[in-house]
Amino acid sequence: RKEVEQDPGPFNVPEGATVAFNCTYSNSASQSFFWYRQDCRKEPKLLMSVYSSGNEDGRFTAQLNRASQYISLLIRDSKLSDSATYLCVTSRGGGSQGNLIFGKGTKLSVKP
Amino acid sequence: EADIYQTPRYLVIGTGKKITLECSQTMGHDKMYWYQQDPGMELHLIHYSYGVNSTEKGDLSSESTVSRIRTEHFPLTLESARPSHTSQYLCASSEWGKGVNEQFFGPGTRLTVL
Repeated sequence: RKEVEQDPGPFNVPEGATVAFNCTYSNSASQSFFWYRQDCRKEPKLLMSVYSSGNEDGRFTAQLNRASQYISLLIRDSKLSDSATYLCVTSRGGGSQGNLIFGKGTKLSVKP
Repeated sequence: EADIYQTPRYLVIGTGKKITLECSQTMGHDKMYWYQQDPGMELHLIHYSYGVNSTEKGDLSSESTVSRIRTEHFPLTLESARPSHTSQYLCASSEWGKGVNEQFFGPGTRLTVL
């Protein structure tokens, strides 16, 4: 079983749609959670951290359920510029704290 | 924009050659990382460093080696390149000692070994 699992997509949605991505992680020792965005043939960039209480940044909302080891990302009012691959990322606990584990990513394509 | 640089951006080389992928950052970050990513696949950590003279192996076994003689510089070397080394190599850096911090990535080096 992979440590971080995501639906690979692609999610093809029209502009203005609301889209939700889900992610599960297997390491109960993980303490930190993130969503990164990776454009085609580019490097990953941090989109947002994910906090236990849930957090929102403009059109983006992230939620964490530690009991179910589940993370989600909601994008409202999708824009063409949101087209990218969204990577679910957790920290590795224990002695390698600070190292990150990346999911394979969910590809989003927003169409006009 | 993150101040982390990688050269070369693209490298096509023959089997058996020795190569060094360069990575440098000007953010003063202590911790640096090398990842390997194949198309459509997840990033795999192959090396990391806590600071000068520190190097550690990552989650994915790699025939490459790294060195950290200066804080800002973290080069990766393959002594004898093989076609199985064909991949994208991404360098990253972060602050260390304040929990888990954002990692900033360089633009990557796309390596093709013929």
